[in-house]
Order: sequence, then structure tokens, then C-alpha cells
Amino acid sequence: DGGITQSPKYLFRKEGQNVTLSCEQNLNHDAMYWYRQDPGQGLRLIYYSQIVNDFQKGDIAEGYSVSREKKESFPLTVTSAQKNPTAFYLCASSSGTSGGPGDTQYFGPGTRLTVL
Amino acid sequence: AQSVTQLGSHVSVSEGALVLLRCNYSSSVPPYLFWYVQYPNQGLQLLLKYTTGATLVKGINGFEAEFKKSETSFHLTKPSAHMSDAAEYFCAVRHGSSNTGKLIFGQGTTLQVKP
Repeated sequence: DGGITQSPKYLFRKEGQNVTLSCEQNLNHDAMYWYRQDPGQGLRLIYYSQIVNDFQKGDIAEGYSVSREKKESFPLTVTSAQKNPTAFYLCASSSGTSGGPGDTQYFGPGTRLTVL
Repeated sequence: AQSVTQLGSHVSVSEGALVLLRCNYSSSVPPYLFWYVQYPNQGLQLLLKYTTGATLVKGINGFEAEFKKSETSFHLTKPSAHMSDAAEYFCAVRHGSSNTGKLIFGQGTTLQVKP
């Protein structure tokens, strides 16, 4: 059953702690993305990766870090430097790095992070 | 710079009525345009997309959208709303000549369907 999985679905963190969100895909997609969603603000791009061992900052990368050691995995770490980390985090992937017409993003189910 | 504007953060219709969700974009080159739907506490599901060719695009669940270059619009419609259509809808644009798949999203429109 192909798709994108994110774990955990709900995550609680104390202030000052780092936390890592998992994203795995078995679609054989080259590109992967992390978005943050806040009520009334749509989705904002945190980081994206077009190929293994390479990634770029998105619009709101401060306080976040990523790695891309394997094609199927793109974990996101929310560090203690992120001022307001409580949000819904969505991972996505797409087939190619060319940005052509077939390069459509597909999304995982999301992780809701709450800082206590 | 590209941007997407969704007119109306909340839209309410009666079951069986026409659904119209508005999306306008700005882009200096031909864009690729997308509509996604999100049910509560879930990820986004692709409804439909426009890349090239026919400007009227049909998607899943009876939705369709028309790309109008002169109006820089990509409004989403469905002839008859169903209770199960209640969700949040996002319009997104990608630069047509970009070599990445990066998307710019609108702020979303919540669709309420009344019985």
C-alpha cells in the first residue's frame, strides 16, 4: 500500500526540548517537503529536498532542521530555538526534481505538535 | 513574486446548491494550479490540477475548475453540494518554469454545507 506516513499523529513537548517528526514515503519520489499549518494562514514551507543528501530552506526555516540520508525518509527536528512551535506539520513528496507538469505533491496525514 | 488569494475564508451553502470557491493568483509566467481538500486533522488530498492544455479541469468528487488567464483566476465549482463536501479547500500555484515542485498556497476556504 503506497503512500506517505507521518508519526506520531499527536506529539507533546515541554518548552526547551527538541523533538523529531518522522516522514516516510514508499512512492519512490525524489522530492520531499515539510510544511507548517496554522489556523487561517494556509501552509508555509519549512524545508524541502530534491535529492538525497541535499535540502534547501523554505520560507520559515528558522528553528527547524532536517536531514535526507535516505530517499524514503525526511525527518524534521523542531529545536528549542523555534519560538512558537505549536502547529500542525505536514510532509509531502513529489515524483521529480524537474518541476514539470507531472510533478504533483502528495501529502501525509500530518503530526499535531503541542508545546506545554 | 507569486501569490495566491482565496476570496472568503468561510463559505456556507445548502445541500444541493452550487459550490463556488474563488482563487486568484499572480504569476509572471504561465502557472501550474492546484486545488487540495483537507478534512479535519488530516493531510491534504489533491482534487484537481491545471498544467497545460484544456482550461476546464475535472477532478474527483464532482469538482471542476476553469483556468482563466485574462482574469488570473482558477475558481473551484461543484453543481450540487453534498454534506460530505464540508472541509477546508486550498488553492496553490507553482511557477510553470521552475525546476522545483515548490507550491505557494492560499490561506484556505472552509466550506460549510447545511442540510
